[in-house]
Amino acid sequence: DIILTQTPVSLAVTPGEPASISCTSSQSLRDGDDEKTYVDWHVQKPGQSPQLLIYTLSYRASGVPDRFSGSGSGTNFTLKISRVEAEDVGVYYCMQRLDFPLTFGGGTKMEIK
Amino acid sequence: QLQLQESGSRLVKPSQTLSLTCAVSGVSITNDSYSWSWIRQPPGKGLEWIGYIYHIGSTYSNPSLGSRVTISLDRSRNQFSLELTSVTAADTAVYYCARDVLGGCIDFWAQGTLVTVSS
Repeated sequence: DIILTQTPVSLAVTPGEPASISCTSSQSLRDGDDEKTYVDWHVQKPGQSPQLLIYTLSYRASGVPDRFSGSGSGTNFTLKISRVEAEDVGVYYCMQRLDFPLTFGGGTKMEIK
Repeated sequence: QLQLQESGSRLVKPSQTLSLTCAVSGVSITNDSYSWSWIRQPPGKGLEWIGYIYHIGSTYSNPSLGSRVTISLDRSRNQFSLELTSVTAADTAVYYCARDVLGGCIDFWAQGTLVTVSS
């Protein structure tokens, strides 16, 4: 199985400040055939089910503000929030769908200072 | 508007079978643009992918669950189902059904349902 390791496990951010979450994969998530990188980011806000933020490395899902961005290559990926807002509190998960079984990172809990 | 709603037994005895159904509205489960997933989350823990089923009925499941998992489609009722046999306390979790864009990502999650395995 592909193992995804997220850091930090938790972080507290002041509103208006940037935030960054890392996800490291045990193997490259780049598909050699289509050259796409199959990492997605989901956020689980308190009391809610997860929701898609970023797919295929860097594409924002419908309705996601442009202060969220995904980047990286190979085995190292980053979710960045340019200016954190109070509504961004929750647990952020990276997920790989390059290979079966699909796997998730352990999650990063973001709180607001 | 897409809606997914889980239903099924919330309390299952050890060694018995967990059965959940996800009723889909707003899109046909036979639409060839989508596949349909089950994911679970033990209390206080992270997410575990269980498996998914394509619109044509072929399935893929997590090898960690072995042959205990069955995912099926009910085209007449526009719903899909999960069965997990021989459950133990370790199977206690919130179970989510979800939609996948075919060849793509999980783009919509249901609200989730807590299933507890206990005698």
